[in-house]
Amino acid sequence: AQSVSQHNHHVILSEAASLELGCNYSYGGTVNLFWYVQYPGQHLQLLLKYFSGDPLVKGIKGFEAEFIKSKFSFNLRKPSVQWSDTAEYFCAVNALYGNKLVFGAGTILRVKS
Amino acid sequence: ETGVTQSPTHLIKTRGQQVTLRCSSQSGHNTVSWYQQALGQGPQFIFQYYREEENGRGNFPPRFSGLQFPNYSSELNVNALELDDSALYLCASSNHGANYGYTFGSGTRLTVV
Repeated sequence: AQSVSQHNHHVILSEAASLELGCNYSYGGTVNLFWYVQYPGQHLQLLLKYFSGDPLVKGIKGFEAEFIKSKFSFNLRKPSVQWSDTAEYFCAVNALYGNKLVFGAGTILRVKS
Repeated sequence: ETGVTQSPTHLIKTRGQQVTLRCSSQSGHNTVSWYQQALGQGPQFIFQYYREEENGRGNFPPRFSGLQFPNYSSELNVNALELDDSALYLCASSNHGANYGYTFGSGTRLTVV
């Protein structure tokens, strides 16, 4: 069975600080990887996804993630966070041609202005 | 393109009652998945519908059931509500086998008292 582990449940940063959110997954086969963001009061939105090819994936709003297959990791990064990045971030995985997303528990990011 | 719409947005039910939640998929999508997001947790896969049939199910009891209609919209039905069913219920639409991601609705917040 697939599982996803997100390393931190709460992260507090000051504006302009760099961000890295950890995500590890457990699954032996080929996977698709996703990061979703949920802003307060809004629906889940796709930040970025990895299916194949270049393991460094760039998403919206300056976010990027790196897939390291040997470490089963897909960490999310942003060089300089803004107050508007305050949200909950979810890492998710699905098996290639699978029919479900398996989510981590989420990381709540608060950015202080 | 229209996104995923869910109704109602909020609902309060009494333990033992039955509830029906509705979802209209994004234009061009033929598959609908339902997720339960309890407070402080990531979304958990309930089931998926494709071609009006259940196409995979998570670890949820049979009192959680669903339907998909010819226009790809879907319903989630929960019988014999329990207090632990209180959660945000999310609908996600996608295209079967395409694996380029899922579009989520804003969810229905169900409270069971």
